Amino acid sequence: DAKTTQPTSMDCAEGRAANLPCNHSTISGNEYVYWYRQIHSQGPQYIIHGLKNNETNEMASLIITEDRKSSTLILPHATLRDTAVYYCIVKTGTASKLTFGTGTRLQVTL
Amino acid sequence: DTAVSQTPKYLVTQMGNDKSIKCEQNLGHDTMYWYKQDSKKFLKIMFSYNNKELIINETVPNRFSPKSPDKAHLNLHINSLELGDSAVYFCASSKTGEGPDTQYFGPGTRLTVL
Repeated sequence: DAKTTQPTSMDCAEGRAANLPCNHSTISGNEYVYWYRQIHSQGPQYIIHGLKNNETNEMASLIITEDRKSSTLILPHATLRDTAVYYCIVKTGTASKLTFGTGTRLQVTL
Repeated sequence: DTAVSQTPKYLVTQMGNDKSIKCEQNLGHDTMYWYKQDSKKFLKIMFSYNNKELIINETVPNRFSPKSPDKAHLNLHINSLELGDSAVYFCASSKTGEGPDTQYFGPGTRLTVL
């Protein structure tokens, strides 16, 4: 599975959009980009995934560059409850492991 | 209506003991996983079962033995516990065969070996 690079930490004011970048320059054509987050002391939580097109769900939006070498997770209106470690993961198909890196620690502040 | 549940939530035991952690999912998924998160917060896959068949077995000591009695359950038995086994163990599940799968995680079991 391709390796990803994320900033170690980011801050965001509550109510503002949080934009979390991820580089995955060695991504293969059949690998998807997944985002998970882990709120303190909880299990990882799925957020969103995509292959080529931009995706949006009730939690977030995922913007993938045309060359697929990087992506951005957008939390449109961050709240204090969004404070967590966010993991960008690229992986193939089904029933394959998630390889977690160190992620980005997002701190949402008042 | 918990999707992926684990028992116990906390487990404190002595070195050398044998212990089990249980995982159950009610999502109708056919693949289940065990991940380990160590004290430095690194999350790593240990095992994966698909339809009760072992499909992922990372470099894990053979003191760890997963058992899947059916598609909804994946238990983890650990023999001769060591201090280094202290960690949080997460179970996850997914449904395969319908495009990219999404893994859903349980709340974790915090194992402390004294």
